[in-house]
Amino acid sequence: AQSVTQPDIHITVSEGASLELRCNYSYGATPYLFWYVQSPGQGLQLLLKYFSGDTLVQGIKGFEAEFKRSQSSFNLRKPSVHWSDAAEYFCAVGAENNDMRFGAGTRLTVKP
Amino acid sequence: DSGVTQTPKHLITATGQRVTLRCSPRSGDLSVYWYQQSLDQGLQFLIQYYNGEERAKGNILERFSAQQFPDLHSELNLSSLELGDSALYFCASSVEGGIGTEAFFGQGTRLTVV
Repeated sequence: AQSVTQPDIHITVSEGASLELRCNYSYGATPYLFWYVQSPGQGLQLLLKYFSGDTLVQGIKGFEAEFKRSQSSFNLRKPSVHWSDAAEYFCAVGAENNDMRFGAGTRLTVKP
Repeated sequence: DSGVTQTPKHLITATGQRVTLRCSPRSGDLSVYWYQQSLDQGLQFLIQYYNGEERAKGNILERFSAQQFPDLHSELNLSSLELGDSALYFCASSVEGGIGTEAFFGQGTRLTVV
């Protein structure tokens, strides 16, 4: 079965600094990969997704992610973090039976 | 606002009881998913319905059941509740429900079992 590992439980960055959130997946076939963001008290919102093609995917709110098959990774990046980006971020991998598996999440704190 | 509506927002009940969580998907979405989010288990896929039929099943306990009605709203029934069932339950919906389809999440129902 597919699985996702987000190695960082909590990350703190300064406003304006760059951000990279790590995601490693395990899946036998070509994965369908997603990044979601969850703000406090809210549901999850899709930031971006990768199915095939260009390995660098652009998403909403200035986020991008790069799929690296050789490293089984799908890291999320943003060049300049805003205070409003403070939230919990989930990486997910989808499989044939629609059983989307989520990572444990990375909580992002943004320092002023 | 994702367009997915979940009720109630909060629910407090006692062990052994039964509760029903309700989800109204986005207009036009045929597929509904249920997820459980707890501190120790993270975000777990429970079950998916597509146009009234069960399509996929994840880590759903036998004490839990769900259905999707002809008007496409869905209910998640939790019975014989235990303290460990306390969690945030999310519903999500998508147009089709095939692999990789973008799912839109509701704001969740926070269940507290005391």
